[in-house]
Amino acid sequence: KAGVTQTPRYLIKTRGQQVTLSCSPISGHRSVSWYQQTPGQGLQFLFEYFSETQRNKGNFPGRFSGRQFSNSRSEMNVSTLELGDSALYLCASSPGTASLNYGYTFGSGTRLTVV
Amino acid sequence: EDKVVQSPLSLVVHEGDTVTLNCSYEVTNFRSLLWYKQEKKAPTFLFMLTSSGIEKKSGRLSSILDKKELFSILNITATQTGDSAVYLCAVSVAGGTSYGKLTFGQGTILTVHP
Repeated sequence: KAGVTQTPRYLIKTRGQQVTLSCSPISGHRSVSWYQQTPGQGLQFLFEYFSETQRNKGNFPGRFSGRQFSNSRSEMNVSTLELGDSALYLCASSPGTASLNYGYTFGSGTRLTVV
Repeated sequence: EDKVVQSPLSLVVHEGDTVTLNCSYEVTNFRSLLWYKQEKKAPTFLFMLTSSGIEKKSGRLSSILDKKELFSILNITATQTGDSAVYLCAVSVAGGTSYGKLTFGQGTILTVHP
């Protein structure tokens, strides 16, 4: 089955602009989580969506937002970009059901550079 | 605050060596510990551990969890250059605020020389 698809792969934006990233999970998976990866902070959790509802949110400012559509595809948006937002943004797909044994499959990420 | 610490942060070995990567954690309401390998971009899943003392194996890789001492190790025997990567340890917790969230360690950068 197809894996987790993230688009675009690379993005260069200017400070102050906004950006939208997309993530299509594995077919049948209803949960999508987003992470920011930087050399200094490592992988940090942004938020998680399940059945079009945000169930969990990390410690990021309100400039970071997301949504999920009825087909489970998710988008995240960053407004008023700052240089520090330059990072690899990863999404992870999982079935989302209450089970001890579900794992998370990651996409290849979107590399965002803010100049 | 949940915390995951990996050691060493980097490791350089030669092909054929055996390596042990460490992961310790301090979390509330532990559910599972996961190991990932990250070569270029996408972390790829290696193991999920939920029970103490049960070793999981996949080829030359194996991992075990100690829930009493709050740590896990990842062993790689007969290393190959293709094992060069960042190895990430992550923990998930149970409870309402845990949905979709993994807390990651800093990662161990493994370099295997021919």
